[in-house]
Amino acid sequence: DIQMTQSPSTLSASIGDRVIITCRASRSISSWLAWYQQKPGKAPKLLIYKASTLENGVPSRFSGSGSGTEFTLTINSLQPDDFATYYCHQYNSYSVHTFGQGTKLEIK
Amino acid sequence: EVQLVESGGGLVQPGGSLRLSCAASGFTVSRNYMSWVRQAPGKGLEWVSIIYSGGYTYDADSVKGRFTISRDTSKNTLYLQMNSLRADDTAVYYCARDTGLRRGFDCWGQGTLVTVSS
Repeated sequence: DIQMTQSPSTLSASIGDRVIITCRASRSISSWLAWYQQKPGKAPKLLIYKASTLENGVPSRFSGSGSGTEFTLTINSLQPDDFATYYCHQYNSYSVHTFGQGTKLEIK
Repeated sequence: EVQLVESGGGLVQPGGSLRLSCAASGFTVSRNYMSWVRQAPGKGLEWVSIIYSGGYTYDADSVKGRFTISRDTSKNTLYLQMNSLRADDTAVYYCARDTGLRRGFDCWGQGTLVTVSS
């Protein structure tokens, strides 16, 4: 099965900062990667799919890049609403989906 | 409005069974790829099962042989039958939709908590 490794597990940043979260796949997943934001007690929310396509309604300060095994989620000019936990999700395989372990973005 | 509403969670003893339901509105369950995803308390997301529009199903190794995903077209509802439950199955269970256009899970339910404990 494909393993997804996210880093860092925790990230401290300030309002207005630019942050980058990385996700590595144990083997190539082409561009079949999504990113989600989750706040405490809430369901995840889709931010980006196909590695770099922004979901409708998601602010343009969020962006994704990468293909194969290396992917990044970039958040420019952090806003108070962005402090949450972020997950990557590979859906290259039709028989097994995998999530990264998550990155908690905290206020510095 | 596209919406998913889970129900059926609760407290169950180890070895017991439970069936979760996920009622959909605003779209047709059978025309989409539907998954169950769970989250143990304080932990990350774990994909559990998927059913494709063609009816094919796949399960995570951790639940294979114990959980069964299914759907009822007439009720536009997704199900997860969970048997031989263990303490490590304790989690919030979410249902989620993939439209089949390979855009990830674009719609999630609010989740239902399953607690396995004696």
